[in-house]
Order: sequence, then C-alpha cells, then structure tokens
Amino acid sequence: AQSVTQLGSHVSVSEGALVLLRCNYSSSVPPYLFWYVQYPNQGLQLLLKYTSAATLVKGINGFEAEFKKSETSFHLTKPSAHMRDAAEYFCAVRGGGADGLTFGKGTHLIIQP
Amino acid sequence: GAGVSQSPSNKVTEKGKDVELRCDPISGHTALYWYRQSLGQGLEFLIYFQGNSAPDKSGLPSDRFSAERTGGSVSTLTIQRTQQEDSAVYLCASSPQGSMNTEAFFGQGTRLTVV
Repeated sequence: AQSVTQLGSHVSVSEGALVLLRCNYSSSVPPYLFWYVQYPNQGLQLLLKYTSAATLVKGINGFEAEFKKSETSFHLTKPSAHMRDAAEYFCAVRGGGADGLTFGKGTHLIIQP
Repeated sequence: GAGVSQSPSNKVTEKGKDVELRCDPISGHTALYWYRQSLGQGLEFLIYFQGNSAPDKSGLPSDRFSAERTGGSVSTLTIQRTQQEDSAVYLCASSPQGSMNTEAFFGQGTRLTVV
C-alpha cells in the first residue's frame, strides 16, 4: 500500500524567502504524485502533478516539485514566498495497485511579513 | 455542472440525529471519493467509488457511516446517530476514468457541526 509523509505540520518563512515543503512517499511501484493547495475557507486545488514525463514539474503560482526516486521524495518549492501563498498544502499519491488517492496530513504554510 | 457540487455547505445537527450529505460529481467522471477533514488531522479517506465496481469502504470509521452512489453519478454520505466527534468538513471529489495520472477535483465541502 502506498502512503505519504509530510514533514512539518507548520512551516513559517519570511516574505521573499525560499519555500520548501517536504513530501516522502512509500509505494511498491512507480507512483503518481500530486500537490494540492487549500486556501482559507476554500476547497482543494491542484498545484501540480508528477506523471513520469519529467522529474521536475512546474505548477501554478510559481511552485515546482522534483521527483527523486532514490530519495522517494517529491518536495515542493517556490523561490520567493508571497503573502498570498499562506495556505494548507497537501501531498498525495496514487498507485501501487490502488486507484484511490492517499493524502498526507498537510503542511500549514505561514508567511511572515 | 462545471465542478463538483456538495450540499448543504453547512449543517448543524443535534447529537443522535441522522444526516445526509450530497455530492454531485463532474459529469462523466466515474471515480468518486469522500474524505473527512478535521482540524489538525489532514484528509481522512472514507470511501471510493469507481464505475460499477464494488466501492472501497475501508476508510469508513464505524458502521454509523454509509455511502451510496446512484446511477453512477450522485452520491450520498449518511451518518447515523451522529456524535460530536463526527464534526468536520466532509469533502467529495471526482476523477475521470482511465489513466492513473488524472487528478481528483474537489468540491467545497460540507461543514458538519454536531451539537
């Protein structure tokens, strides 16, 4: 069975600083990986997804993630944080014989002015 | 419709009452998911429907929870004899059939408060 682990339930960065949100997966087969964002009082929105076409995936709002098989990781980054990036971020995996999406517990990103 | 629609958006119920939450998936999507989101708990998988296959009910927390999907479209999540710990946001998502690289599209959720 597949699973994802998001390190850090809360991450705080200064405006303009690098954002790094960590996600490690566990899957017996090559996985399909997703990052979702949930802004305050809104539903989940897809940021980006890894589908094996390229290891570096670019998403919306300047975010990107790199798939590293050797590290079983799919960390989310953004070079320069904006106040509007404050939200909850979820990593999810699909695969390993199960069609459903399995989510991590989420990371709350706080942007300090 | 253009997206996944959930109703009601908010529901307050008394402990011990039954509630029904509705989800209208995106037209043509054969996969449908229910998740529960509690403060500090992330997204908890409840149940997954895929086409005409038997649903994956492995995430339902107790036999008070059940879900059905009629005609492969609309789904209803029913919670019987609600408890205060059932208070949460219930999220529905749908996904097209086919390749595993397709993402799930989420509704806005139903916020359930049991008093």
